[in-house]
Amino acid sequence: GNSVTQMEGPVTLSEEAFLTINCTYTATGYPSLFWYVQYPGEGLQLLLKATKADDKGSNKGFEATYRKETTSFHLEKGSVQVSDSAVYFCALKPNTGNQFYFGTGTSLTVIP
Amino acid sequence: NAGVTQTPKFQVLKTGQSMTLQCAQDMNHEYMSWYRQDPGMGLRLIHYSVGAGITDQGEVPNGYNVSRSTTEDFPLRLLSAAPSQTSVYFCASSPTGADTYEQYFGPGTRLTVT
Repeated sequence: GNSVTQMEGPVTLSEEAFLTINCTYTATGYPSLFWYVQYPGEGLQLLLKATKADDKGSNKGFEATYRKETTSFHLEKGSVQVSDSAVYFCALKPNTGNQFYFGTGTSLTVIP
Repeated sequence: NAGVTQTPKFQVLKTGQSMTLQCAQDMNHEYMSWYRQDPGMGLRLIHYSVGAGITDQGEVPNGYNVSRSTTEDFPLRLLSAAPSQTSVYFCASSPTGADTYEQYFGPGTRLTVT
């Protein structure tokens, strides 16, 4: 079946620290992979995506590389800011059908 | 372009009451879905629709009904509210037919059942 596992939170970092949030997936075929971000009191919005193996998605200083050999899509940022405090969701969409599968979310708090 | 809109933003119900959460999108997306978000459990799919007149169950459909009479609207009905339905509900939409499309989310409805 299809599923996403991401690291448990919450994660607390100081401003300018390096961020990694791990995400691994199980899927048949070649899914598309996504990171969504949810700021307090808001809905989810797309942060970045990758649609095939070795693709790197990037946006707002965040990056994630689609690693088929390790079935992973880890989110990284070199220097976090207070404004990055949010909940981050890893998700996959199989290459057939329209359903998305989400991880449980990782809460990030960045302190000045 | 409003995107995905949801009403109401907040709602308090008593056990046994019924209500409808509204969802509308103006992007002509075929696929629409409802999720609930609970602490530690992420997003769980309740119901989804791949077009007008077509709906199907997701992971946690019990206690909820949906219908899709138009492309734009996808209301979620709680038939007899229970405290276990206290949650934040998100509606989402996306095009169909391509594997690279993202889902667009509404701002959510926070529901409390007492």
